[in-house]
Amino acid sequence: AQSVSQHNHHVILSEAASLELGCNYSYGGTVNLFWYVQYPGQHLQLLLKYFSGDPLVKGIKGFEAEFIKSKFSFNLRKPSVQWSDTAEYFCAVNADRGSTLGRLYFGRGTQLTVWP
Amino acid sequence: KAGVTQTPRYLIKTRGQQVTLSCSPISGHRSVSWYQQTPGQGLQFLFEYFSETQRNKGNFPGRFSGRQFSNSRSEMNVSTLELGDSALYLCASSLVGGNYGYTFGSGTRLTVV
Repeated sequence: AQSVSQHNHHVILSEAASLELGCNYSYGGTVNLFWYVQYPGQHLQLLLKYFSGDPLVKGIKGFEAEFIKSKFSFNLRKPSVQWSDTAEYFCAVNADRGSTLGRLYFGRGTQLTVWP
Repeated sequence: KAGVTQTPRYLIKTRGQQVTLSCSPISGHRSVSWYQQTPGQGLQFLFEYFSETQRNKGNFPGRFSGRQFSNSRSEMNVSTLELGDSALYLCASSLVGGNYGYTFGSGTRLTVV
């Protein structure tokens, strides 16, 4: 079965600091990778996704992520965080084909708190 | 275009009752999946429907069931509610799943007292 690990449960940063959130997954086949963000009281929003091609993907709000296949990792980065980035961030994967095609596997989430 | 619509937004039920939650996917999307979100367990997959057929099912008891209609709208039902069923229930729609991405609704906050 697929699984997703997010190593940081809670990250606290000051504004303008750089951010990197770790995500590792376990699955033997081809996967699609996602990062979602959930602002307080709001629904999950897609930050970025990787399906194929350039392993460095850029998303909304200045976020980017790099897929490293050999490490089964898909880490999220932002060079300079803002107070408005305070939210919970979820890494998710799903199989590119097969019986679990329609199912997303989520990590436990990382709560990011940015101090002004 | 309209997003994923979940109704109701909030529900309070008592133990032993049953509840039905509704999800209207983005027009043209044929895959609808349901997740339970709690502080302790995070996001847990319930089930996914594609073209009115359950394609995937998570590890939840039989009290949790769902269905999808011909217009792709989906409902999930929880019978004999328990206190532990209190959670945010999220619906996600996708064109067909896989690499087409998923759009989430705002969820239904269920409180069981």
